[in-house]
Amino acid sequence: DVKVTQSSRYLVKRTGEKVFLECVQDMDHENMFWYRQDPGLGLRLIYFSYDVKMKEKGDIPEGYSVSREKKERFSLILESASTNQTSMYLCASSLWGGLNEKLLFGSGTQLSVL
Amino acid sequence: AQTVTQSQPEMSVQEAETVTLSCTYDTSENNYYLFWYKQPPSRQMILVIRQEAYKQQNATENRFSVNFQKAAKSFSLKISDSQLGDTAMYFCAFAGNSGNTPLVFGKGTRLSVIA
Repeated sequence: DVKVTQSSRYLVKRTGEKVFLECVQDMDHENMFWYRQDPGLGLRLIYFSYDVKMKEKGDIPEGYSVSREKKERFSLILESASTNQTSMYLCASSLWGGLNEKLLFGSGTQLSVL
Repeated sequence: AQTVTQSQPEMSVQEAETVTLSCTYDTSENNYYLFWYKQPPSRQMILVIRQEAYKQQNATENRFSVNFQKAAKSFSLKISDSQLGDTAMYFCAFAGNSGNTPLVFGKGTRLSVIA
């Protein structure tokens, strides 16, 4: 069964910590995405990547960075976690040229920053 | 920039009844794609249905169908014979056809199906 795997379902971190959220897909997809989901705000795009070592800012990149050293893995990094980054983080992937194809999502990481 | 608006934050429907979720969008493009995604309590986002703007015919997937009104920029989702398993957040999304532009999502509608 093809899938997108997020390393943690729940995560609790302290303010100021460096946080890594990992996402791995096994479908050889070129495109990978990180979204943040908050009640009443829907899904907001943080960063996306078209290919290895490539990254593009989404709508809310401030306070985040990403890394894509291998095609199957796309990491979201919170350099210094803050309480306003408490949220659900969703990773997704799709085929190259397939931004109008369906996204396949991971099951999300609920991050709490205390 | 494209925007997607879902005007109903929450809705409820009796089991076996029909419910319609609203979605409007704003774009200057002529060719594009529209989607409805479902997020049940398990949090796993699932594609429900997809519509290509150049196709006149409304998309249908079993009990799920859309009413696509291109001139009005409206893309509503109809769920027939609602089941308890349809309880979920539903997100409308837009993808342009020009270049690699990521999907833009609405804020979602929380649907509760009541026994």
